[in-house]
Amino acid sequence: EAQVTQNPRYLITVTGKKLTVTCSQNMNHEYMSWYRQDPGLGLRQIYYSMNVEVTDKGDVPEGYKVSRKEKRNFPLILESPSPNQTSLYFCASLQRGGYEQYFGPGTRLTVT
Amino acid sequence: QKEVEQNSGPLSVPEGAIASLNCTYSDRGSQSFFWYRQYSGKSPELIMFIYSNGDKEDGRFTAQLNKASQYVSLLIRDSQPSDSATYLCAVNPLKGYNKLIFGAGTRLAVHP
Repeated sequence: EAQVTQNPRYLITVTGKKLTVTCSQNMNHEYMSWYRQDPGLGLRQIYYSMNVEVTDKGDVPEGYKVSRKEKRNFPLILESPSPNQTSLYFCASLQRGGYEQYFGPGTRLTVT
Repeated sequence: QKEVEQNSGPLSVPEGAIASLNCTYSDRGSQSFFWYRQYSGKSPELIMFIYSNGDKEDGRFTAQLNKASQYVSLLIRDSQPSDSATYLCAVNPLKGYNKLIFGAGTRLAVHP
């Protein structure tokens, strides 16, 4: 089954404790993105990747890091989480030349 | 001014009626336009995309694009209670292929 998976689905953590949210797709897509979704603000792009070892900032990259060492994986790293990073996070992938972004199931992160 | 604006709703329509969802965008150079449906607690799923002026129909859904007015809409005919969800308008600007700018979404409620 073609899919984007994210782990964990739910996470409660404390300020300053480093965490990684994993994202993996099995569709051999070149493009991958991370979004956060907040009430009243919609989905905002954090980082995106055009291919292995090619990443770039989206609209709200502050406080986040990413890496793309393999085509299928695109982890999101929060080195020192803060309460304003409490949000719902989605990973998405897109085939080169395609239109449809496939979204993962989401990770709900709470930072206290 | 937000880059992509939608009325947050809720838009309430009776079962069987036409639901009309609207979206305006600020970047006149935007290339393609998407409508996603998002059920509560779930990830967005693509309903339709459009990139040429005019109408595009797919089953009960019709997307309408007017680039001169920077306006895109989604019509849902014969609305069903299962259509109750938040509808997200997304725009792909000229500058980035993998970039989607989302509106905050319109909540649709279809009542029997």
